Amino acid sequence: GDSVTQMEGPVTLSEEAFLTINCTYTATGYPSLFWYVQYPGEGLQLLLKATKADDKGSNKGFEATYRKETTSFHLEKGSVQVSDSAVYFCALSEDTGFQKLVFGTGTRLLVSP
Amino acid sequence: EAQVTQNPRYLITVTGKKLTVTCSQNMNHEYMSWYRQDPGLGLRQIYYSMNVEVTDKGDVPEGYKVSRKEKRNFPLILESPSPNQTSLYFCASSLTRTGRGETQYFGPGTRLLVL
Repeated sequence: GDSVTQMEGPVTLSEEAFLTINCTYTATGYPSLFWYVQYPGEGLQLLLKATKADDKGSNKGFEATYRKETTSFHLEKGSVQVSDSAVYFCALSEDTGFQKLVFGTGTRLLVSP
Repeated sequence: EAQVTQNPRYLITVTGKKLTVTCSQNMNHEYMSWYRQDPGLGLRQIYYSMNVEVTDKGDVPEGYKVSRKEKRNFPLILESPSPNQTSLYFCASSLTRTGRGETQYFGPGTRLLVL
């Protein structure tokens, strides 16, 4: 079945540091890829997405590129802020999966001043 | 404001006492879904609904029931809760059931503790 693998956390960074959170996937078809973010005490919200190979999703300074050849969708940000502290989930959905999201285990990011 | 609401946000109960967690969306979304979030496992789908009166099992449906009598509401029912259903539950919705790359909108979560 489909699966998503994310790097273990927590990831601890100082403000203005560069962020990478790795995500790789296994899928039977040609999935869409997502990053969702969960701030403390809140539900998940979409951060960015990409629906085809080589597409780059971007939002709030975060970026991720759909790499079909390496089955990856790594999340990056050039300069993190304290307000970016949250849990980040990589996820996929198949075309035939009726919107079912398959999530990774989540990566907690802690940014200190 | 477009949103998905869940109630209650926190619930402590005892084994075997039936409970319902409500979910409502005001965006006229066709698709709704329930997930549970557990440490080290991410989110897993419990049930989903493609439209009114159309529901189906997700990956972890055992011990849960759902219904979709109205488009906006999708309650999750635990007929006889057990401690292994202690978890954080999220309701989600999206505009269509088959659109590629559809964004799903999540509720704020319901934290359930079953003693």
